Amino acid sequence: AQTVTQSQPEMSVQEAETVTLSCTYDTSESDYYLFWYKQPPSRQMILVIRQEAYKQQNATENRFSVNFQKAAKSFSLKISDSQLGDAAMYFCAYGHSGNTPLVFGKGTRLSVIA
Amino acid sequence: EAGVAQSPRYKIIEKRQSVAFWCNPISGHATLYWYQQILGQGPKLLIQFQNNGVVDDSQLPKDRFSAERLKGVDSTLKIQPAKLEDSAVYLCASSPGAGLNTGELFFGEGSRLTVL
Repeated sequence: AQTVTQSQPEMSVQEAETVTLSCTYDTSESDYYLFWYKQPPSRQMILVIRQEAYKQQNATENRFSVNFQKAAKSFSLKISDSQLGDAAMYFCAYGHSGNTPLVFGKGTRLSVIA
Repeated sequence: EAGVAQSPRYKIIEKRQSVAFWCNPISGHATLYWYQQILGQGPKLLIQFQNNGVVDDSQLPKDRFSAERLKGVDSTLKIQPAKLEDSAVYLCASSPGAGLNTGELFFGEGSRLTVL
């Protein structure tokens, strides 16, 4: 069974600084998807960024980028120019194919300090 | 476009009572998921529907949990009788059917259950 591990329960960053959240996963599949989701307090989970395993280029969405290391099964999220609104739980997730349930890590709580 | 709708947002019950949660997915989304998120943990899949059929319910505690999606649109998750350990947020998510899918799930705001 696939597993997703987030080894940092909590992280903090100063406003305008950069922070990296770590994620590792385990799978025997060669084709899959990886995601970072953001869950603000008492609000719905929203997609931050998505990576397809067959793509070598790291995904980027504005201030958010990933470092995808397929051989190492590592998928970290970098948030640049951190803003107060970035404070939330961040979940790393794995999906085998386009119509399968996602497997989530335990999450990392990010605090942004003004 | 309307998102995934869930109700109620909050529910407090005594142990051994029953509770039901409702979910209406994004219009046209064939696949619907129920996840359980216990405080401090990531979401865990309970059940996946494709249209009105069950694809995966291997992690659903069937002695007390049931779910249905009779017309392939909205869905109901029921817990009867509830236990203290069922206290959690119940998340509903949907995605387009196979062939239209980027793998992304679209989540509702969740239903927070407290069992006393």
